[in-house]
Amino acid sequence: GAGVSQSPSNKVTEKGKDVELRCDPISGHTALYWYRQSLGQGLEFLIYFQGNSAPDKSGLPSDRFSAERTGGSVSTLTIQRTQQEDSAVYLCASSSTGGRGGYTFGSGTRLTVV
Amino acid sequence: AQSVAQPEDQVNVAEGNPLTVKCTYSVSGNPYLFWYVQYPNRGLQFLLKYITGDNLVKGSYGFEAEFNKSQTSFHLKKPSALVSDSALYFCAVSSPSGGSYIPTFGRGTSLIVHP
Repeated sequence: GAGVSQSPSNKVTEKGKDVELRCDPISGHTALYWYRQSLGQGLEFLIYFQGNSAPDKSGLPSDRFSAERTGGSVSTLTIQRTQQEDSAVYLCASSSTGGRGGYTFGSGTRLTVV
Repeated sequence: AQSVAQPEDQVNVAEGNPLTVKCTYSVSGNPYLFWYVQYPNRGLQFLLKYITGDNLVKGSYGFEAEFNKSQTSFHLKKPSALVSDSALYFCAVSSPSGGSYIPTFGRGTSLIVHP
């Protein structure tokens, strides 16, 4: 597509439930990134996918968080047993290899855990 | 490890005056530097980048930034601010030559342009 698409745009869930967030990157972009933006905070790196290589999961805050990228395209970020501190905006970005062209961000998913 | 510092949480400027949003960075290799802008309830929009070449780079909406290697800075500037420039601005760095393709972002600076 023309841009990075994220869905849903908003998600309200009850504490303890699992949620799935979807990211559809720009066609042809081999790199995909997930970030978390909490109120008043900067962007916290979560996970990085590059082509068929093993993802860099070094930013995932706990084992309740996982992500996959199928066919080198669409990615799903899953949060299990959600907690209130998981409430944030989850941003996805994609880029060509190396990021020389910059990073294109989606509009984000605003997750609220009640 | 790479890092970015945006020392000002908020910058206030009158419309028509020049603006500067500060950014300093730390990387182990040659930096790729970026500025992004975020409007309320929106994702980040690309403004400009420094990869190599001229230290002064020009970007969208009349913004420019100067790469200063000795001061490890990449300050964002605009000669004449508009009220519509009011938004949250993020500086980011990556360093493929230093081993990290993953961009690190600063905490963001809220720019408020007063009419």
